[in-house]
Amino acid sequence: AQSVSQHNHHVILSEAASLELGCNYSYGGTVNLFWYVQYPGQHLQLLLKYFSGDPLVKGIKGFEAEFIKSKFSFNLRKPSVQWSDTAEYFCAVIPASYGQNFVFGPGTRLSVLP
Amino acid sequence: DTGVSQDPRHKITKRGQNVTFRCDPISEHNRLYWYRQTLGQGPEFLTYFQNEAQLEKSRLLSDRFSAERPKGSFSTLEIQHTEQGDSAMYLCASGVGGIAGNTIYFGEGSWLTVV
Repeated sequence: AQSVSQHNHHVILSEAASLELGCNYSYGGTVNLFWYVQYPGQHLQLLLKYFSGDPLVKGIKGFEAEFIKSKFSFNLRKPSVQWSDTAEYFCAVIPASYGQNFVFGPGTRLSVLP
Repeated sequence: DTGVSQDPRHKITKRGQNVTFRCDPISEHNRLYWYRQTLGQGPEFLTYFQNEAQLEKSRLLSDRFSAERPKGSFSTLEIQHTEQGDSAMYLCASGVGGIAGNTIYFGEGSWLTVV
């Protein structure tokens, strides 16, 4: 089945460690790609998005993501995490063949230890 | 606050009762989405409106679910004859059209507990 997968269910890091969260999708053709974050007790917020152009996109709070078309991947990275990055992270894809339906991955919970 | 607002934030209902959720999108947004999210899962698409037209519906949206957006502004999601499996967070999101503007912004969600 076509889907969005996220490699890790729960990631635990110490402050200042580097972060990489994996996201893969199985849709062919044109896609729009997103990362959303949900801090404890808050609503989903957009971190960054990719539509076209430079496959390395920068978002808020020092996050970036790289689109690798050949690998159907859109991994999220941050060089040095902070305790305040503790949250749930969701990758989302709009496959062109799916109209305007955003398809979300299952999420990765990030816990950053002070 | 000019973001997406949802009401009520929490609803506890008995099995078999009907419930209705309301979503007020960001004012200039013509697209409105409903999603459902359960613990440990990502949001699952339910339905999508462009202005007042309901353009897409998920297979998850059984006959007991109905959504409307009568004037292209606020939207309601009604669940009839609720079942325990309907317990979830119901999320509303809105956005503007166009390839470059294809981004959606979420409300805080409406928690439904069916007992």
